[in-house]
Amino acid sequence: DIQMTQSPSTLSASVGDRVTITCRASQNITNWLAWYQQKPGKVPKLLIYKTSTLETGVPSRFSGSGSGTEFTLTISSLQPDDFATFYCQQCISPWTFGQGTKVEIK
Amino acid sequence: QVQLVESGGGVVQPGRSLRLSCAASGFTFSHYAMYWVRQAPGKGLEWVTVISFDGSNQYYADSSKGRFTVSRDNSNNTFYLEMNSLRAEDTAVYYCARAGREILWFAELSDWGQGTLVTVSS
Repeated sequence: DIQMTQSPSTLSASVGDRVTITCRASQNITNWLAWYQQKPGKVPKLLIYKTSTLETGVPSRFSGSGSGTEFTLTISSLQPDDFATFYCQQCISPWTFGQGTKVEIK
Repeated sequence: QVQLVESGGGVVQPGRSLRLSCAASGFTFSHYAMYWVRQAPGKGLEWVTVISFDGSNQYYADSSKGRFTVSRDNSNNTFYLEMNSLRAEDTAVYYCARAGREILWFAELSDWGQGTLVTVSS
């Protein structure tokens, strides 16, 4: 099975900071990578799919990049609404998620 | 708009069975692969199973293989997760989710239900 490893596990940042989260796949997944945001007690929300395509309605401060085995999610200027846990997911069998990155207020 | 509503969760003893349902609306259900994803308390997301748009193919995570069965009824826009031989480690919120594009199941999960809590405890 393909393993997904996110780093860091926790990230402390301030409003306005540029934030980058990394996701590494144990095998080549080309560009079949998605990113989700989950706030406490809420349902996961799709942010980005196919590595870099923003889901409709997602603010443009979110961006994704990468290919093969290494991917990044970048928030260009962190906003108060962005404090949450972010998950990457590879979208080919068997659809494994990363362990999550919690973005906390510094 | 897309709506996914799970039901069937609850408290069940170890070794017993439970059947979850997910009622879909707002889209052409028979065109999309559907997934179950779970989240244990305080933990991350874990993919459980997927069923193809027409029900002809299913895949399972190792943790659910042989104990869980996914099925769908395209005439009633509903899909199911039959869970047998439940264990304490199956305790989680179970979400149903839809593939982000028609027909393909190599896809992101674009829409999620609110989840239903399954607690396995004696």
